Amino acid sequence: SQQGEEDPQALSIQEGENATMNCSYKTSINNLQWYRQNSGRGLVHLILIRSNEREKHSGRLRVTLDTSKKSSSLLITASRAADTASYFCATADLYTGANSKLTFGKGITLSVRP
Amino acid sequence: NAGVTQTPKFQVLKTGQSMTLQCAQDMNHEYMSWYRQDPGMGLRLIHYSVGAGITDQGEVPNGYNVSRSTTEDFPLRLLSAAPSQTSVYFCASSRQGHGYTFGSGTRLTVV
Repeated sequence: SQQGEEDPQALSIQEGENATMNCSYKTSINNLQWYRQNSGRGLVHLILIRSNEREKHSGRLRVTLDTSKKSSSLLITASRAADTASYFCATADLYTGANSKLTFGKGITLSVRP
Repeated sequence: NAGVTQTPKFQVLKTGQSMTLQCAQDMNHEYMSWYRQDPGMGLRLIHYSVGAGITDQGEVPNGYNVSRSTTEDFPLRLLSAAPSQTSVYFCASSRQGHGYTFGSGTRLTVV
């Protein structure tokens, strides 16, 4: 069964606004990762946050992790039309090797209107 | 540095046929995985490998075989294709503690 559950399933915002996407998971993790997928393309790794980290930044991306609530959020600030894509959270199980087995959620579809 | 290369990009099979999806990476990554992506299902792990000679099953391994004879290559074999295996297949690789690099995918249709 899939580990991560993203919320919302779909998000539509205006260019320039911030987009917040949430992910919940069920088991203990080594790390949590976020990926982007443009239509018809492969996935692109965005950011990885380890279980002992609470917040991480990369450019316009901010990721938080709350292991007590088994949840994470991805914030994209000042969104652009080019951010339109599907976003997936993925978890690396704590007990099967640091990064060897990655389990994905079903994804969030983000639409950024120009 | 090509990253992760998947071949073919598109394939149509008849029910019962077998085939091998190829995956190669040139980044010396120890971890490699195969996923299938179906509408509304996200990505589901088929098989994964933590190094040459070591493979293990993921969430949906039935009907698929893998082997990892070298660090670079991780082929996925469909033993007897079924319409339920119509999907987009992604290969990905990583090294410990880092994100995965994905191939561009193979779109497979089984008729």
